[in-house]
Amino acid sequence: SQTIHQWPATLVQPVGSPLSLECTVEGTSNPNLYWYRQAAGRGLQLLFYSVGIGQISSEVPQNLSASRPQDRQFILSSKKLLLSDSGFYLCAWGQGPEAFFGQGTRLTVV
Amino acid sequence: RKEVEQDPGPFNVPEGATVAFNCTYSNSASQSFFWYRQDCRKEPKLLMSVYSSGNEDGRFTAQLNRASQYISLLIRDSKLSDSATYLCAEGKSGNTPLVFGKGTRLSVIA
Repeated sequence: SQTIHQWPATLVQPVGSPLSLECTVEGTSNPNLYWYRQAAGRGLQLLFYSVGIGQISSEVPQNLSASRPQDRQFILSSKKLLLSDSGFYLCAWGQGPEAFFGQGTRLTVV
Repeated sequence: RKEVEQDPGPFNVPEGATVAFNCTYSNSASQSFFWYRQDCRKEPKLLMSVYSSGNEDGRFTAQLNRASQYISLLIRDSKLSDSATYLCAEGKSGNTPLVFGKGTRLSVIA
């Protein structure tokens, strides 16, 4: 069966520090991969998605970037975090229209 | 332009009650629809898919009304454990990311 791993579960980072969140999927190949963010009291906002290695589509221009160095690995990065980057970051995978989420990373920028 | 809209609630209902949520979407070309359940501080989990004329799974029934562009979720015989936020999502095709509503919060009260 397919599983998705996302870490860390929680993270507290100072403003201006870098960020790297990693997500891996097991039990499938060539999945679609997604990064969403859920800010307090707000809905799920799509940040990036990828349909293949090295292919990244960005939905929201901001100081975040994503990379897919391997088929089942998706990384979310930032060079300098802003206070407004705080939120619940969710990685998801899919091979049809539906998406299956990892446990999420709760990021607090202080 | 909001693509998927939901009443945020909260819906406070007694155990055993029947409760229904609606979700409207704006893109008539959308092909697939889903309901997700999200517990507090957890990731969304797929509850039901809604294809063509609807879907039923135990106490849960999802309906699609293409003419009026909305989907609904009906929960019969509500349990305390049904308390959560319910997110609807629409998809345009297999490889495009889902667009989520902000969710409807349900509290089932003893």
